[in-house]
Amino acid sequence: NAGVTQTPKFQVLKTGQSMTLQCAQDMNHEYMSWYRQDPGMGLRLIHYSVGAGITDQGEVPNGYNVSRSTTEDFPLRLLSAAPSQTSVYFCATYRGSGELFFGSGTQLSVL
Amino acid sequence: GEDVEQSLFLSVREGDSSVINCTYTDSSSTYLYWYKQEPGAGLQLLTYIFSNMDMKQDQRLTVLLNKKDKHLSLRIADTQTGDSAIYFCAERGSGGGADGLTFGKGTHLIIQP
Repeated sequence: NAGVTQTPKFQVLKTGQSMTLQCAQDMNHEYMSWYRQDPGMGLRLIHYSVGAGITDQGEVPNGYNVSRSTTEDFPLRLLSAAPSQTSVYFCATYRGSGELFFGSGTQLSVL
Repeated sequence: GEDVEQSLFLSVREGDSSVINCTYTDSSSTYLYWYKQEPGAGLQLLTYIFSNMDMKQDQRLTVLLNKKDKHLSLRIADTQTGDSAIYFCAERGSGGGADGLTFGKGTHLIIQP
């Protein structure tokens, strides 16, 4: 089992460009989430989903869109990238016991 | 909202014990967690403790919980270079997403030879 797979691992964008960060899981977990990690800020929840067709906003949702058409996939879309979105992005699934399973992250730079 | 506080850095000598501290504000916390993040990787669950417990030991790891003071600590005995990582405290209560998890900002554990 691969667990939680994120692609790409690295990405450089210009301000105003759009892109989609991919997240796929093979653990059949209903709950998936996106976090961003910034120095000195820890992890901040962007969006989450409790199942296919259901999404909700986290702490810092502005500038990001998500959708959940299948249990396996939970893509994160940046519609118009800004330098403030330079960060490391983590996708995670949740088993319901308090344990989150994280992907290895996407390092995004917006110039 | 709910808050989890940790020191940003801790430096210890190899072979000594490391003690990473965390305080939280949510009185409805049911579980408290320690996650470890190694360089270039995502977080991995290290250990957890149920809120009605005072202590949990797992090999070199000891978790102490003072529920009255809302204080959690992680002790790593005989600290090794492989323990160098960022350690995140998290609590499961009324905040966060549907998982109810609120994370601290993480403590960088630096090991001196």
